[in-house]
Amino acid sequence: GQNIDQPTEMTATEGAIVQINCTYQTSGFNGLFWYQQHAGEAPTFLSYNVLDGLEEKGRFSSFLSRSKGYSYLLLKELQMKDSASYLCAVRDSNYQLIWGAGTKLIIKP
Amino acid sequence: GAVVSQHPSWVICKSGTSVKIECRSLDFQATTMFWYRQFPKQSLMLMATSNEGSKATYEQGVEKDKFLINHASLTLSTLTVTSAHPEDSSFYICSAREGPDSGELFFGEGSRLTVL
Repeated sequence: GQNIDQPTEMTATEGAIVQINCTYQTSGFNGLFWYQQHAGEAPTFLSYNVLDGLEEKGRFSSFLSRSKGYSYLLLKELQMKDSASYLCAVRDSNYQLIWGAGTKLIIKP
Repeated sequence: GAVVSQHPSWVICKSGTSVKIECRSLDFQATTMFWYRQFPKQSLMLMATSNEGSKATYEQGVEKDKFLINHASLTLSTLTVTSAHPEDSSFYICSAREGPDSGELFFGEGSRLTVL
């Protein structure tokens, strides 16, 4: 079956750096997405990786290794507003999005 | 980025009634829209894929007669929860993409349904 694993919850300190990992096993691969979702709100797009390597966008970076079925989202200079759930999603060979359960990130002062 | 608008944002209804939720792409044409349901502290669960001008494709376990999806135009898809029951109370979210190979999904604001 298809499976995406990411930690349930993580805690980090304001101003610090945190890495959220995502491993996947899917039927084919056509890209990996990271979304941010604040409680009670719809997800917002953060990043898209389809080739191996690091994609940097401001304080957020996303890394992909297709051979390892692995990605991470790196958040730098953490701010309190970064407290949210971070969802990893993989698009399979049928262009269907397979969603992870999300990682709740708690930022402490 | 593109804008997807969802309405209503929240709705409370009595058990046994039907509720319609609209999803509109405001500044692009969406041939495909997706409907998700999300229970508290859980991830998005895809309910169905809505294609303009054709029948929706439902995920396994989703009752197509209970969750009616209509995608009559390139900018509007509707989800109707028929004969709603308290267990249907959830956060319903739609999303759309501009093209089949587009990387980004644009989400509506979500609709919180509470069935009494």
